[in-house]
Amino acid sequence: DQQVKQNSPSLSVQEGRISILNCDYTNSMFDYFLWYKKYPAEGPTFLISISSIKDKNEDGRFTVFLNKSAKHLSLHIVPSQPGDSAVYFCAASSTGSQGNLIFGKGTKLSVKP
Amino acid sequence: NAGVMQNPRHLVRRRGQEARLRCSPMKGHSHVYWYRQLPEEGLKFMVYLQKENIIDESGMPKERFSAEFPKEGPSILRIQQVVRGDSAAYFCASSLDTALGYTFGSGTRLTVV
Repeated sequence: DQQVKQNSPSLSVQEGRISILNCDYTNSMFDYFLWYKKYPAEGPTFLISISSIKDKNEDGRFTVFLNKSAKHLSLHIVPSQPGDSAVYFCAASSTGSQGNLIFGKGTKLSVKP
Repeated sequence: NAGVMQNPRHLVRRRGQEARLRCSPMKGHSHVYWYRQLPEEGLKFMVYLQKENIIDESGMPKERFSAEFPKEGPSILRIQQVVRGDSAAYFCASSLDTALGYTFGSGTRLTVV
């Protein structure tokens, strides 16, 4: 039973355009959400997060949107750059989970020059 | 200011052997988490440790797997009598405090032959 779902295994975007990565969750107890970026043969790198008390968080080219009623979040990257090509993981946690993150399966983003 | 150090990066074991994976957290970090990533899957939480204590091992298989984080030295994830299904990437992460924004190491890729 997957609690965090990333339904698109891959996404291809032209350089300079917007990349939108989606994530759905089922557990209404989740109150903190994170996006990680992962290059091959490396560990995941923290990108951006959002608390459930917000519906948007922005950091440079990266914006995360949270729709609690739909149990859906998305990561927007604009403008996309070839260096953004990586696997992006959505993760969620709940207060009291003591740091146990539930990860989605990831979406592989390819940004073409 | 080294990040989370994991070794070895690659480990090959024959079925029935023992695998020992090491993780040195970032300086000052006393919280360590182990995750496993099977091929084509997201990261799955295994265990959360603080110095000399296992806080949450709910994601760890009941048999053959153990973890420790001694007062001195790295955290160790130990897999006894490895089987082919143990082949995966094992990631360690550390944090100053629980949960949020912890830092991952580059992982150990275990191959059981």
